[in-house]
Amino acid sequence: DTGVSQNPRHKITKRGQNVTFRCDPISEHNRLYWYRQTLGQGPEFLTYFQNEAQLEKSRLLSDRFSAERPKGSFSTLEIQRTEQGDSAMYLCASSPTGTSGGADWFFGPGTRLTVL
Amino acid sequence: GDSVTQMEGPVTLSEEAFLTINCTYTATGYPSLFWYVQYPGEGLQLLLKATKADDKGSNKGFEATYRKETTSFHLEKGSVQVSDSAVYFCALTPFSSGSARQLTFGSGTQLTVLP
Repeated sequence: DTGVSQNPRHKITKRGQNVTFRCDPISEHNRLYWYRQTLGQGPEFLTYFQNEAQLEKSRLLSDRFSAERPKGSFSTLEIQRTEQGDSAMYLCASSPTGTSGGADWFFGPGTRLTVL
Repeated sequence: GDSVTQMEGPVTLSEEAFLTINCTYTATGYPSLFWYVQYPGEGLQLLLKATKADDKGSNKGFEATYRKETTSFHLEKGSVQVSDSAVYFCALTPFSSGSARQLTFGSGTQLTVLP
């Protein structure tokens, strides 16, 4: 297993378009997290899955954002009607069940979204 | 809520210089503390961690000590190398009976080491 992968790595879109990102976690990891990182800032929590269940969502996740994790494997993050303020790096991380804190989290390389 | 404050960057040092990146936190209870590193084009990687007061995390010559009395977790390295150039993030997870669901990050500190 080569770690957490994310696709695409870069996405340029026009304002108002919909975009979808994919995250493939490490295969035996039950937990999956999405974060957003804007320029010069640290990552901010968006949402968290345990298996296929979405257990927590940040206030940052507006109605235009939706995330899924069918069958508890890969996850998708969709942004509808994109706005320029959505331009950011979207990070995915996974961890096995039973880990303590963030010590066993593995992050993907991220998807950089640019909204024109 | 929980928060992490890091010294602002960027930080530029010459090779073999001493590095300190300050980090302070606000949290209830006893959080776990972490330093993550992000190399250009790569994902965040855990550098070191500490889970209770006075613990010292260390890895690759970097060290940080969990200081509850000053709510700090400063990152240090005695002699930096060009390959240490990266963005460094201080982070915490809250203490809970189960696994933490969120990492709270600082804003990051860009380190550039010149040969």
